[in-house]
Amino acid sequence: DAGVIQSPRHEVTEMGQEVTLRCKPISGHNSLFWYRQTMMRGLELLIYFNNNVPIDDSGMPEDRFSAKMPNASFSTLKIQPSEPRDSAVYFCASSFGQNGGNTIYFGEGSWLTVV
Amino acid sequence: GQSLEQPSEVTAVEGAIVQINCTYQTSGFYGLSWYQQHDGGAPTFLSYNALDGLEETGRFSSFLSRSDSYGYLLLQELQMKDSASYFCAVRRDDKIIFGKGTRLHILP
Repeated sequence: DAGVIQSPRHEVTEMGQEVTLRCKPISGHNSLFWYRQTMMRGLELLIYFNNNVPIDDSGMPEDRFSAKMPNASFSTLKIQPSEPRDSAVYFCASSFGQNGGNTIYFGEGSWLTVV
Repeated sequence: GQSLEQPSEVTAVEGAIVQINCTYQTSGFYGLSWYQQHDGGAPTFLSYNALDGLEETGRFSSFLSRSDSYGYLLLQELQMKDSASYFCAVRRDDKIIFGKGTRLHILP
């Protein structure tokens, strides 16, 4: 079975450039999560969707970050403009079940470096 | 709000037993989960406790005490491949919030 698929796996970009990270959740899952992981802050929940609707974006750091889920099989996280402090691993994860379920499945992550 | 506390690092010897503790403060608590993450990899699910008591899955066990807002992950017969970071996580409404993780070092 295909797991959560993220792209790109690695990206190096210059400060000020737009970055778009993509995610395909596991088919049939009804919740999707975007996390950011850094050494200093650990795994931070940025935003999550339930049935394609954004439920809580309180973790999104600032207006430079935006996320969309146009359908059940695709989501994007966009950073515009990017800054060096945005360098991190960005994980997409999905789950199924009432209230988001108890087990979430992570993609392999997108490793972002902003120089 | 929610917060989870777990030790940043733990060291144990191959073949031994190690316990990783997690205390939490959260409203609307629904359960405590544990995830494992190897360097360069993604977190993967290990166990989930919704009720008090011990859940066993092979060499790994997880315990929860809701009255104490406390849980732990117990790893037995440690193997070198168990060297990883271990995260406790709580589910609140639809959100799953993670602790900062415990880095487990295993000595031969």
